[in-house]
Amino acid sequence: DAGVTQSPTHLIKTRGQQVTLRCSPISGHKSVSWYQQVLGQGPQFIFQYYEKEERGRGNFPDRFSARQFPNYSSELNVNALLLGDSALYLCASSSGIGYGYTFGSGTRLTVV
Amino acid sequence: EDQVTQSPEALRLQEGESSSLNCSYTVSGLRGLFWYRQDPGKGPEFLFTLYSAGEEKEKERLKATLTKKESFLHITAPKPEDSATYLCAVQGGRAAGNKLTFGGGTRVLVKP
Repeated sequence: DAGVTQSPTHLIKTRGQQVTLRCSPISGHKSVSWYQQVLGQGPQFIFQYYEKEERGRGNFPDRFSARQFPNYSSELNVNALLLGDSALYLCASSSGIGYGYTFGSGTRLTVV
Repeated sequence: EDQVTQSPEALRLQEGESSSLNCSYTVSGLRGLFWYRQDPGKGPEFLFTLYSAGEEKEKERLKATLTKKESFLHITAPKPEDSATYLCAVQGGRAAGNKLTFGGGTRVLVKP
């Protein structure tokens, strides 16, 4: 079975640009969460979606947005990129709220 | 707000030298405490979920235990392939949402 897949694996963007990151959950999983991991720190929660509805939002500015599609895949959008947005962006899927989370390998975003 | 503190930040072990990692937490209504292993540039890999004080789980050379205030990850007779960052996370009560709150991790290096 395929695990959680994220694309692209690496991305370099310029300050002020916009970026879209994509995630496909494990087959049968209806919940997708997004996390930001800055180098040397633990992951920080950004969003959770379940059955296409937002079920949680972390302490991130409105420049960050996300959505979940009918096939349960998800996109994370970040507008007006700042140097501080450089991080590993992780997607995690779960079969439901409160169940275990499986993470993808992440998208490494570098803002220059 | 849920908080997780991991110690030590880094640990250097000789092959075969057993040790323990600490995860201290404050949470309103623990729904689960998770341990993950993360290799450089990769997403976290699930190890264990603990739900209640007194619970223990084992996998190969790793054993996780849980009390009401902290969790320990014991590494018995480690091998170089156990070198990684170990992350602890909690999922709090429903009022806190469905997010995982992570600690900063413990970087473990096992030398042959």
